[in-house]
Amino acid sequence: GGIITQTPKFLIGQEGQKLTLKCQQNFNHDTMYWYRQDSGKGLRLIYYSITENDLQKGDLSEGYDASREKKSSFSLTVTSAQKNEMAVFLCASSLDWGSAETLYFGSGTRLTVL
Amino acid sequence: AQSVTQPDARVTVSEGASLQLRCKYSYFGTPYLFWYVQYPRQGLQLLLKYYPGDPVVQGVNGFEAEFSKSNSSFHLRKASVHWSDWAVYFCAVSRGTGGYKVVFGSGTRLLVSP
Repeated sequence: GGIITQTPKFLIGQEGQKLTLKCQQNFNHDTMYWYRQDSGKGLRLIYYSITENDLQKGDLSEGYDASREKKSSFSLTVTSAQKNEMAVFLCASSLDWGSAETLYFGSGTRLTVL
Repeated sequence: AQSVTQPDARVTVSEGASLQLRCKYSYFGTPYLFWYVQYPRQGLQLLLKYYPGDPVVQGVNGFEAEFSKSNSSFHLRKASVHWSDWAVYFCAVSRGTGGYKVVFGSGTRLLVSP
């Protein structure tokens, strides 16, 4: 078994601030993902990474940067926080990037923008 | 492009009663289909997934789902609901080829009444 650890659990920032969310996994999975979960909506993919130092944009990448310097970690930066992007950010990993792969999720970082 | 519709934002079921959560997908071809569950303050966990083959898929904790190509559906069922099933359930569809592309539905919140 393994675990995905997201830090911090709660993140409060000011409008316009640059904020970074971190994710660590010990599954030894190749592929990692960042999703955004808005209340009453599904999950939307922000970025994913097939392997170390790889970055792929998802459907919602504008306003975000990502970094995958190690296989076990994947960070997401909100480049300029806006009040309309208060949401829960979920990190996930999978063994590889095939269509049928099971995603393993962390418990999320809840972002509040003041 | 694929899409998923979960028409019921909230479903209330009495403990011990049977359950069906609806999922309709749109995809030209044969997709992979998933049900994930999100318990309070946790990330998503896989309940079950469908590969092309037997249309009825068994999952964890007594859940099963049935794939119907003619109805473009993948409904989730359970014969007897327990209070611990109180959670949000997400249906997801992945394209059959071409690497990673998973689309999630908006989720159905299951409430269990005593």
